Amino acid sequence: SQQGEEDPQALSIQEGENATMNCSYKTSINNLQWYRQNSGRGLVHLILIRSNEREKHSGRLRVTLDTSKKSSSLLITASRAADTASYFCATDHNTDKLIFGTGTRLQVFP
Amino acid sequence: DAGITQSPRHKVTETGTPVTLRCHQTENHRYMYWYRQDPGHGLRLIHYSYGVKDTDKGEVSDGYSVSRSKTEDFLLTLESATSSQTSVYFCAIRKTGTENTEAFFGQGTRLTVV
Repeated sequence: SQQGEEDPQALSIQEGENATMNCSYKTSINNLQWYRQNSGRGLVHLILIRSNEREKHSGRLRVTLDTSKKSSSLLITASRAADTASYFCATDHNTDKLIFGTGTRLQVFP
Repeated sequence: DAGITQSPRHKVTETGTPVTLRCHQTENHRYMYWYRQDPGHGLRLIHYSYGVKDTDKGEVSDGYSVSRSKTEDFLLTLESATSSQTSVYFCAIRKTGTENTEAFFGQGTRLTVV
């Protein structure tokens, strides 16, 4: 299976704290993407990092990519209760497929 | 919101019956995907399409078939539903396959096989 894995599986923090979640994958990629899913809803794209990029920022999001370790991390700074959701990484390989990881459930307490 | 509609949104069916889920898009995107989501497994790719009549298997394709006779519609069929196919099914679309583009998701179909 090409499916990646994320850790932690679940994360609970207080508002204002930073949240970091990690994604590991198995084979070479064109890009890696992060998505968010609110309970019972479809996934929403957050950010895309290409295989030749090492870091990318979007608002309170910071994504890093280490292709030598086949891993990525998503950092959400100054978290808010509204950030409570599940977060998934997805890898775009040299095919037409987009393969998702197992996800991290983030709970942010007010 | 990207123009993706999944139907039905909820369905309960009996073991052994055929079931077809529909994904309809108004974006004219070339790529369409079917995923299933189960606790502990995240999203797993069932089948995908890279054009009209062009489809390929994903990670968990056994027991499923797909068809795409028009750009806007991608159908997922369970020929003979089993309890292990109880899941939430998501359709996604992408403008291209390998040119660093994001996917847009439908709202999901909750299927229960009893």
